[in-house]
Amino acid sequence: QVRLQESGPGLVKPSETLSLTCTVSGYSISSGYYWGCIRQPPGKGLEWIGSIYHSGSTYYNPSLKSRVTISVDTSKNQFSLKLSSVTAADTAVYYCARVVYSYDSSGPVLDAFDIWGRGTVVTVSS
Amino acid sequence: QSVLTQPPSASGTPGLRVTISCSGSSSNIGSNAVSWYQQLPGTAPKLLIYSNNQRPSGVPDRFSGSKSGTSASLAISGLQSEDEADYYCATWDDALKGYVFGAGTKVTVL
Repeated sequence: QVRLQESGPGLVKPSETLSLTCTVSGYSISSGYYWGCIRQPPGKGLEWIGSIYHSGSTYYNPSLKSRVTISVDTSKNQFSLKLSSVTAADTAVYYCARVVYSYDSSGPVLDAFDIWGRGTVVTVSS
Repeated sequence: QSVLTQPPSASGTPGLRVTISCSGSSSNIGSNAVSWYQQLPGTAPKLLIYSNNQRPSGVPDRFSGSKSGTSASLAISGLQSEDEADYYCATWDDALKGYVFGAGTKVTVL
């Protein structure tokens, strides 16, 4: 059974960098699929942050692109999110998920997030 | 403001049918597959429908999805109390080169 587990500090200070690690069990990241991060501010909807393939190919949300880095460590079967210069607006539940994808004429297209982690709460506060 | 428009709420009595709409444009719903997610209170989202109308294993056939042009919809038939949740549509947007979610629809079972 494929499982994803998020881990990271629950509290981050404003202007610092939020770091989140997603550990995958029951499936090898190198076997395929994209892997992604999604967040949900308190009382609000879902926002896609970005996604990565095991080769290191990435897609980022244009509104967050200047602050986001997602990387993959296939030896540990993990991928990681870094979000820099955080503010209170970055307070949210952060989820990791496996991404089903397909191809169109311009390249890979993300289709659906089929398996999700339970999420981890990250609060930005001094 | 999401590029996918959903009604903020929908409701129905047990046993009846509820439909949730999701309106987009030619760069997203008009050219890519739509997914729907169910989020029960206090839990992570769960994939309910993918590729416009396909159900993952384990999802009851009471849930069905459809797409026409730049709009999609999710129907819940035989509404049950455990269907009270937030429902999100989502798809890839070619213009944004990113995955977009609707703002979500809260379904209440009366």
